[in-house]
Amino acid sequence: QVHLVQSGAEVKKPGSSVKVSCKTSGGTFSSYAIDWVRQAPGQGLQWMGRIIPVLDMVHYGHKMQDRVTISADKSTNTAYLELSSLRSEDTAVYYCARRAHGVFDIWGQGAMVTVSS
Amino acid sequence: QPVLTQPPSASASLGASVTLTCTLSSGYSRYKVDWYQQRPGKGPRFVMAVGSGGIVGSKGDGIPDRFSVLGSGLNRYLTIKNIQEEDESDYYCGADHGSGSTLVYVFGTGTKVSVL
Repeated sequence: QVHLVQSGAEVKKPGSSVKVSCKTSGGTFSSYAIDWVRQAPGQGLQWMGRIIPVLDMVHYGHKMQDRVTISADKSTNTAYLELSSLRSEDTAVYYCARRAHGVFDIWGQGAMVTVSS
Repeated sequence: QPVLTQPPSASASLGASVTLTCTLSSGYSRYKVDWYQQRPGKGPRFVMAVGSGGIVGSKGDGIPDRFSVLGSGLNRYLTIKNIQEEDESDYYCGADHGSGSTLVYVFGTGTKVSVL
């Protein structure tokens, strides 16, 4: 059974960067896209971007593309989300999700990122 | 890109039915919409996808038969029959838009379902 296992919670200072990982276990990594979605406290879901490892292709959400870098290491079946120039509004739970058959069929457990001085 | 509109809340008595609506903005009537359930304190979970002709693909793992979908015009519906306490969740719809280098994914604002 496929699982997406994310890195742990982080506390960061404003202006710094954070890198969240998402490791695929129990299945093929490169054949599917991995998307990143975040959810601020009490708010809805916001799509951040997608990586398709087999194509080395990345798409970014319009509002995020200047500060977001999505990457993947096919040798370790791991996708990464890096967010720079952090501000308090970036405090959120960051989820990775596998995109398969046109839907997000498997989700990671989420990684809480808190931005605070 | 499309805008997906969802009412902020809905409610139903235990054992009754509730229908959630996700309305696509004008011009996007052919779009498939995905439904996700998010229980309190948990991550999202795929429910099922719906196009103008009905369900697209299969239901998510463990989604009971009480859940069904329908598509009509710009509206995509998720109906929960015989609603149970465990169905009390936030429900989000979402859709892909674009292709190639301009691909994005758009979520609706979510509907909070309360079981009375």
